Amino acid sequence: SQQGEEDPQALSIQEGENATMNCSYKTSINNLQWYRQNSGRGLVHLILIRSNEREKHSGRLRVTLDTSKKSSSLLITASRAADTASYFCATDSGGSNYKLTFGKGTLLTVNP
Amino acid sequence: DAGITQSPRHKVTETGTPVTLRCHQTENHRYMYWYRQDPGHGLRLIHYSYGVKDTDKGEVSDGYSVSRSKTEDFLLTLESATSSQTSVYFCAITSETGVYEAFFGQGTRLTVV
Repeated sequence: SQQGEEDPQALSIQEGENATMNCSYKTSINNLQWYRQNSGRGLVHLILIRSNEREKHSGRLRVTLDTSKKSSSLLITASRAADTASYFCATDSGGSNYKLTFGKGTLLTVNP
Repeated sequence: DAGITQSPRHKVTETGTPVTLRCHQTENHRYMYWYRQDPGHGLRLIHYSYGVKDTDKGEVSDGYSVSRSKTEDFLLTLESATSSQTSVYFCAITSETGVYEAFFGQGTRLTVV
C-alpha cells in the first residue's frame, strides 16, 4: 500500500484564499517532500522537510511536520489561479537504497 | 530542466506482447524510479534502482521487470502486457547529495488493447 495519503482528495477555493492539504503516512520517515503536478505533466518538487524539522517556509508555501502523528500539512497562502494542480506528498526511507513513495494526491482548483 | 528523457512518449500495444520503456538521464544521479499513475491511485512505485545492477521492487511490481546496466539508463519491461497495465508511466531520478529532490520525466502513455 502507498505510504502517504493526502487529504482532501479535492479542494476548490477562490483566488486569494489559503489552501491547506494534509498528508498522513504509516512508517518512520527520513524526509517528507511535497510535489506539484500540472495536468499531463511530470511532477515538480516544491519543498522538503526533514524528520527533525517541524516547520519550513518557501515563498507562499508553509509545510509542517508532526512525526508523532505521522502527518504533514502544506499551506499555500494567497492562492492564484496558476496554483491549480495536483499536489502530492512523498516520503523516503533513508539509507543507501533510497525508496521514494508518493501518495494519491490532492487536486486543488483555484477559481479566478 | 533536469536531463531526463523517457521513450517512447506514447505507445499502443496488444495484449500479450512484451514492451520496454526506456528512461535516460544525463545527470549521473544514483537513484532511478519507475512509477505508474492511474486515476484514484496517484503515483505507485513499480521498481527502483540505487545503483548499476542494484534494483528493488516497489508496491506494484508484479508483471514488470527492470534492468540497469549503466548509470544513465533504466529500462522497464512488461513481459506480457495486459490491459490492466494501461497507464501513464513516469521515470524519476534523484541524487544522494543535496536535498534529494526528485526530477521527473515527461511520462509515457501506454495503452494495451
